[in-house]
Amino acid sequence: SQKIEQNSEALNIQEGKTATLTCNYTNYSPAYLQWYRQDPGRGPVFLLLIRENEKEKRKERLKVTFDTTLKQSLFHITASQPADSATYLCALVYSAGNMLTFGGGTRLMVKP
Amino acid sequence: KAGVTQTPRYLIKTRGQQVTLSCSPISGHRSVSWYQQTPGQGLQFLFEYFSETQRNKGNFPGRFSGRQFSNSRSEMNVSTLELGDSALYLCASSLHGPGLADGTQYFGPGTRLLVL
Repeated sequence: SQKIEQNSEALNIQEGKTATLTCNYTNYSPAYLQWYRQDPGRGPVFLLLIRENEKEKRKERLKVTFDTTLKQSLFHITASQPADSATYLCALVYSAGNMLTFGGGTRLMVKP
Repeated sequence: KAGVTQTPRYLIKTRGQQVTLSCSPISGHRSVSWYQQTPGQGLQFLFEYFSETQRNKGNFPGRFSGRQFSNSRSEMNVSTLELGDSALYLCASSLHGPGLADGTQYFGPGTRLLVL
C-alpha cells in the first residue's frame, strides 16, 4: 500500500530563517502533490499544488519541489515568521480523479 | 463567497448511537469529500460525492455512509458508534473533485465528535 511520510517531530526555527519540510512517498509516483496548512481547531488550507512533470512551484515566500527519483517533495518557507507556525500536510493523488491521501503532517514552530 | 460550513461543530454521543453530520459546500462547488482526522491515524479519506453520486470511497466500514443532495449539500452518517469513532470530521468542497489539477479543496472547520 502507498505510504506517505512526513517528519512527525516538530520543526523549530528562528524567525527570518528558511523552513524546509519533507514529504516522502513509497511505490509509484503520484499524479499531483498538494501542500496544506492546518492551524489548531481548524480545517486545512490549500497552499500549493505541483504536478508529476513539474520540478518546482513558487508562491510568494513558499516553494515546493518534486523529485520523482527520490520520491520526495520539499516545502520551503523563506523569511519565516511566527505567523507561519502551524502544521503542514502534504497530500498525494495517485491518478487523476482519484482521492487525496494525506501524510501525517509536520508541526512548524517559528520563534521570534 | 461564503466558505464551507459544517454543523454541528461539536457533538457528544454514546456507543451504539448513530450520528448525522452536515456539510454545505461553497456555492457552485459540486464535489464534496469527507475526511476523518485523529491524532493516531491523521487525515483519512472517507468518501467523495459529485453531483449526488458517490465517486470515490476510502477504506472505512459500512457503518460510515453519506449522501449528497441536489443543492450539493452533503450529509455523513455513522451508525452504531464505537469509541474509536471519536475524531474531527472534516468536509471539503471543490469545483470538480480532489484529484484534478484544479482540484483545490476548501475545508470546513470540522465537526468534533466524542463517543463515550
